[in-house]
Amino acid sequence: ETGVTQSPTHLIKTRGQQVTLRCSSQSGHNTVSWYQQALGQGPQFIFQYYREEENGRGNFPPRFSGLQFPNYSSELNVNALELDDSALYLCASSLVAGHTDTQYFGPGTRLTVL
Amino acid sequence: SQQGEEDPQALSIQEGENATMNCSYKTSINNLQWYRQNSGRGLVHLILIRSNEREKHSGRLRVTLDTSKKSSSLLITASRAADTASYFCATDGGSTLGRLYFGRGTQLTVWP
Repeated sequence: ETGVTQSPTHLIKTRGQQVTLRCSSQSGHNTVSWYQQALGQGPQFIFQYYREEENGRGNFPPRFSGLQFPNYSSELNVNALELDDSALYLCASSLVAGHTDTQYFGPGTRLTVL
Repeated sequence: SQQGEEDPQALSIQEGENATMNCSYKTSINNLQWYRQNSGRGLVHLILIRSNEREKHSGRLRVTLDTSKKSSSLLITASRAADTASYFCATDGGSTLGRLYFGRGTQLTVWP
């Protein structure tokens, strides 16, 4: 167990809806990264948050947004859901931003868009 | 693409055999990491090797890195059925922004 938790475990939404996914980082970690993993693919970087500010973003549209709270937990929000947003969403916490040392992943949230 | 690419895509072996997976990447790196994923769940960190290291061991795992060939290999010795999982290599693309680039992974099946 990494100490990183995510909720909910599974989620089913319809096209056009909005969704919020949550992540609690490992104790002592101040950086959270979000990844999208489509079926049969490797994880793709969405963005990273460090001390409540976005600290880097991958090739995802603005309808993917996030927040980090003072306790370093984080949310991923996706607006106007599309069928291709169906995926496993993983969050990872790490100790220091700007370093690519070990990132500790949560169990993921499986999102299905119908 | 900066992402690593694992080879083979799928590997099937018997318990007790060794499993070797390879990873190739395209950019310079600061480090390379290997992760394991069971049945579409979260990723478990296995080992990190820095660009100035050539080989690293952790239990039954042995990782090598050849930066001149931009490649790495993961060897699992004396495989067990519990090693059945997808294995991913991840690089940092030479950046210090904390972003990891993953390949599509190798699906390892170990038969009892």
